Amino acid sequence: AQSVTQLGSHVSVSEGALVLLRCNYSSSVPPYLFWYVQYPNQGLQLLLKYTSAATLVKGINGFEAEFKKSETSFHLTKPSAHMSDAAEYFCAVSEERGGNNRLAFGKGNQVVVIP
Amino acid sequence: DTGVSQDPRHKITKRGQNVTFRCDPISEHNRLYWYRQTLGQGPEFLTYFQNEAQLEKSRLLSDRFSAERPKGSFSTLEIQRTEQGDSAMYLCASSLPVGSNTEAFFGQGTRLTVV
Repeated sequence: AQSVTQLGSHVSVSEGALVLLRCNYSSSVPPYLFWYVQYPNQGLQLLLKYTSAATLVKGINGFEAEFKKSETSFHLTKPSAHMSDAAEYFCAVSEERGGNNRLAFGKGNQVVVIP
Repeated sequence: DTGVSQDPRHKITKRGQNVTFRCDPISEHNRLYWYRQTLGQGPEFLTYFQNEAQLEKSRLLSDRFSAERPKGSFSTLEIQRTEQGDSAMYLCASSLPVGSNTEAFFGQGTRLTVV
């Protein structure tokens, strides 16, 4: 079965600094990969997705992620952190061919932005 | 359409009681998913429907859990004889069929506390 690993449950970043969240996946088929953001007591909002087109994917709020098959990675970055980026971020892999169906999520990264 | 709607947002119940949650998906979405998210973890897949048919159930969905989608529109998730371990956020998501834009849209969740 497909799975996702996110290391470091809490990530602290200074305002204006680079945000880097790591995601490694395991999949027996070419994967569909996603990053979601969750604000307190809210549902999940899609940041971006990789669906076998361009390997560098741009999403909302200035985030982007690069799919690297050789490293089985899909790391999320943002050049300059903003206070509003404080939230929990989840990487996920689709467990069915054809897109965002049943999703397997990582444990998440809680991002804290330090003024 | 305002997106996926879940009701109630919060539910506190005594151990042993039954609870029922409702999810109203985006109107043209025929796929509907339920996930459970415990503290410090990513969401875990419970079950999904295509129209009124329940196509798959996770092993996490014990006999005390039942989900329905009687007319292929809204869905309910019932937990019988609740246990403290059932305390979690229950998330509903919906999507269009595979082959089109299959991004899953999440509701804000129902937070269940069993005391």
